[in-house]
Order: sequence, then C-alpha cells, then structure tokens
Amino acid sequence: EAGVAQSPRYKIIEKRQSVAFWCNPISGHATLYWYQQILGQGPKLLIQFQNNGVVDDSQLPKDRFSAERLKGVDSTLKIQPAKLEDSAVYLCASSYIGTSGIRNEQFFGPGTRLTVL
Amino acid sequence: KQEVTQIPAALSVPEGENLVLNCSFTDSAIYNLQWFRQDPGKGLTSLLLIQSSQREQTSGRLNASLDKSSGRSTLYIAASQPGDSATYLCAVKKGAQKLVFGQGTRLTINP
Repeated sequence: EAGVAQSPRYKIIEKRQSVAFWCNPISGHATLYWYQQILGQGPKLLIQFQNNGVVDDSQLPKDRFSAERLKGVDSTLKIQPAKLEDSAVYLCASSYIGTSGIRNEQFFGPGTRLTVL
Repeated sequence: KQEVTQIPAALSVPEGENLVLNCSFTDSAIYNLQWFRQDPGKGLTSLLLIQSSQREQTSGRLNASLDKSSGRSTLYIAASQPGDSATYLCAVKKGAQKLVFGQGTRLTINP
C-alpha cells in the first residue's frame, strides 16, 4: 500500500513570496490533515478535511494560509505572503475514518521543509 | 484546553539498556493515545495506538501503557539499539477532535 505522498520535499523562499505544497493521501482515506511542525516542537494541526469539506481550521492563519481539497482526494496548502515565522516542516496525514470511529489512526507523509529568508 | 507534555526533552543511553519515555496530558477524557517515531528530515511513523479502554499495547520491543485517571502514558523500549535513535512523540485524541502532540523526546542510543 502506497503511503502519503508530498511535494516538494524542500522549499526555500524569501519573505512576502508565495508557496504551495501538495499532498496525495492513501487511497480510500476520507480524512486529510495538514500540520505545521516548528523545529523542536510537536506538530500543530492547521486544517482537517473530511472528503472535500473542512472539519476544523481553527488554527489556520486565514489571512495568509489557504487550503483546498478538490474532488476529495489531493490537497494543496498555500501561503501568501510568507513570513519568517512560517519556516517549519509541513506535514500531511490521512486516516480512514476521521470521526470517533474505531482505530482512526493517522498516517503521515514525509513532510515539506520550508525555509523563509 | 488539552496540553501534552513529554519528559525528558532529550535522553542519551548506552546500547542494550531498557528505557522509559514519559507523556502526560491534562484532560483525561481522551479517545485514544498514539506514540510516533520521527527520524530527522522524515515524517511520523505510528508505533502504537492505545484506545481509552485499554491499559497497554505491545509491539516487539516496545510497550506502551496508559493510565487515563492520572493523565499519563509511558513508552518502554527494551534492549535499546542504535537504530532506535529518533524523536518520539505522543499524541492524544478526544473524539472527533484533532490530535494534540507533545513536544517530543529526542532519544540517542550510543553504541
């Protein structure tokens, strides 16, 4: 079974520029998550999708971050414009059942490391 | 608001030793708790998932315990190996809500 795919793996941009990340979840997984992991900290959820609908985006800085999941499969996360404090690893994860179902284990992709100069 | 704390932040032990990593959480009304491993530059790999009704889970040399009433979980690693060197993260989930992660314990096993 193929895992969660993300691209690019690394990205370096200057502040105020725009950047986009792509995620392809495990086939059949209805729920998709984007996390931000700052160096030395645990991941923090930015947004959760159930199919192509947003379940939780309470910690997404909506003035600069946006995400979409067209057709309920692939997803993109965009930052526009980027700030220095956005430097982090952006992780995508997926799970088979996103609600209080049995064993809704999350599977993570390798992440995209963003450096904002 | 759920908060998850992992102590210590870093741990270095000689190869072959048994060790325990600690995780504590402030809200005991959790649905499950998950332990992850993260290697440098890589994503998270799920190690063990404990449902709220369970007390422990085992996989190979790993054993995770859960004490909901005291808000604690431990990850026990037996006979540590250099390949076990990584950052270990615990995360708790409450119903349909998001996973809340601790900051991780960076483990180094010295040959």
